Amino acid sequence: NAGVTQTPKFQVLKTGQSMTLQCAQDMNHNSMYWYRQDPGMGLRLIYYSASEGTTDKGEVPNGYNVSRLNKREFSLRLESAAPSQTSVYFCASEQGNQPQHFGDGTRLSIL
Amino acid sequence: DQQVKQNSPSLSVQEGRISILNCDYTNSMFDYFLWYKKYPAEGPTFLISISSIKDKNEDGRFTVFLNKSAKHLSLHIVPSQPGDSAVYFCAASASYKLSFGAGTTVTVRA
Repeated sequence: NAGVTQTPKFQVLKTGQSMTLQCAQDMNHNSMYWYRQDPGMGLRLIYYSASEGTTDKGEVPNGYNVSRLNKREFSLRLESAAPSQTSVYFCASEQGNQPQHFGDGTRLSIL
Repeated sequence: DQQVKQNSPSLSVQEGRISILNCDYTNSMFDYFLWYKKYPAEGPTFLISISSIKDKNEDGRFTVFLNKSAKHLSLHIVPSQPGDSAVYFCAASASYKLSFGAGTTVTVRA
């Protein structure tokens, strides 16, 4: 009963390094989302994928790219990490108009 | 421009009493509202929701009230229990995209 699985759980990067955050869901959901959460702020949408093969920008897409590899997997890539991207990243999935299900997050620190 | 606001960062309540969490929004296009609960080191989990065509939805100890004219919703937890200590996020949906408030940390005292 895994739901939404995110890897890794923690990561420390140096400025300029690249990294891909992985997300997989086993609920056969069509839609998947990437959010970031910063202190004192709500979750902000980075990118989303309404269905396999489609991706769209959210509220804060700059500095990120995404790939919807298949129906199960949706990855988030930082090509050249910056300290401003230090955050907790959450992946979510959704089917129809049901509530989104979230993973447990990836805590990313960029030095 | 934050479209969903939770103006109380924290709330402390005694076990057994009522917890009332508030949320305001600015976008009149929002048509679906949700509350999520989050424990440390875990992702948010869905708690309760309400459609814009309703003004109240109840699920056990949790009730959400919606006042569309005031663009305000609230979550009532009665009675509060120690396991309710968590961060609560209000979220609003338009075109299936969610906008979140900054969260309210609830602490239930024994």
